[in-house]
Amino acid sequence: DAGVTQSPTHLIKTRGQHVTLRCSPISGHKSVSWYQQVLGQGPQFIFQYYEKEERGRGNFPDRFSARQFPNYSSELNVNALLLGDSALYLCASSLGGTGPTDTQYFGPGTRLTVL
Amino acid sequence: AQSVTQLGSHVSVSEGALVLLRCNYSSSVPPYLFWYVQYPNQGLQLLLKYTSAATLVKGINGFEAEFKKSETSFHLTKPSAHMSDAAEYFCAVSDSTGNQFYFGTGTSLTVIP
Repeated sequence: DAGVTQSPTHLIKTRGQHVTLRCSPISGHKSVSWYQQVLGQGPQFIFQYYEKEERGRGNFPDRFSARQFPNYSSELNVNALLLGDSALYLCASSLGGTGPTDTQYFGPGTRLTVL
Repeated sequence: AQSVTQLGSHVSVSEGALVLLRCNYSSSVPPYLFWYVQYPNQGLQLLLKYTSAATLVKGINGFEAEFKKSETSFHLTKPSAHMSDAAEYFCAVSDSTGNQFYFGTGTSLTVIP
């Protein structure tokens, strides 16, 4: 089975623009989470979606939004980009609905550079 | 609230030597702990997870971790380091609902030939 896939692999934007990142979960997984990983740091939780409903939200501004589609794929949108939004954006999928032992499987990430 | 602290942002070991990467957790509820590895320009790969079934957890690639409640620790070990083990290692804890993971700042492992 294919793992978690993300697109695009790399992206360069300028300040003030918006960006959409996409994620396809592992087949059978109903939960998708998004993380931001700034260079040299651990991933920071942004959102989790399960069955198209937002289940969790990290400490990120409203410029960040996400949604999950009926096929369980997901989009992360970031508006009014700032230089500080430059990071690796990771998507993780899991079965969902199984509580704290639910294992998250990560995609390769999208490298966003804001100039 | 849950959190993890990884002591030592960089660890260097000789090939064949013991690998010990430290992780301490803070949790108001029984923790669910994970170790992930990240190779350059790649996503995170699960090494092992603790779900309260056994305190000694064995993972992939010869890694294991021991949950010690008295020390609030979940250190990662491997008896003999290989060159291929060079990577970034992250400890993580999930919240009580499983809806959010909290990651440590990571430990970069260098293996010296």
